[in-house]
Amino acid sequence: SQQGEEDPQALSIQEGENATMNCSYKTSINNLQWYRQNSGRGLVHLILIRSNEREKHSGRLRVTLDTSKKSSSLLITASRAADTASYFCAWLGSGNTGKLIFGQGTTLQVKP
Amino acid sequence: DTGVSQDPRHKITKRGQNVTFRCDPISEHNRLYWYRQTLGQGPEFLTYFQNEAQLEKSRLLSDRFSAERPKGSFSTLEIQRTEQGDSAMYLCASSYLGGFTDTQYFGPGTRLTVL
Repeated sequence: SQQGEEDPQALSIQEGENATMNCSYKTSINNLQWYRQNSGRGLVHLILIRSNEREKHSGRLRVTLDTSKKSSSLLITASRAADTASYFCAWLGSGNTGKLIFGQGTTLQVKP
Repeated sequence: DTGVSQDPRHKITKRGQNVTFRCDPISEHNRLYWYRQTLGQGPEFLTYFQNEAQLEKSRLLSDRFSAERPKGSFSTLEIQRTEQGDSAMYLCASSYLGGFTDTQYFGPGTRLTVL
């Protein structure tokens, strides 16, 4: 399978704590993206990091990318109950392809 | 609302029936994608269009599946002779090739249940 892995599969934390999710992929990439999905709904794009970038910030989100290890991490700081959702990493392969390959997701529960 | 829209949001059908889903992308986007997502899994790529041309198809897209994008605007995904294994969420996304990012923007999905 081309799908990578996300770790942990499930994470439960208290409001105000930080949440870290990890993603590993198998191929060379053009960029890597993180999406959020609330239960039974569509995906919301959170952040994109290109293969020549190592770290990127957006509000309470911090993404890192290590292409030598084929891995990425998403850190959500000062989590809120509204952050409860599933989080997916996805990557666009190198070359002229439009195909996003998704990880299997991390389910985050933030308890108030 | 200028996001990606999908219709219907839910579809329940009996095995063997044909179903058709519609996706309207963000108006200036020239790429349109279809994905399928089963419970507890990440989305899996099915196919994508650049304008009217279908550029890539997954092996998941069996002969019973067909997608079109006439005139490079909306797209339809048809499943013929549905099977219980087709039950899933079907997601559509669009993007603009040549823009600043390759971000794909997703619609709310069509949840298909085959009885």
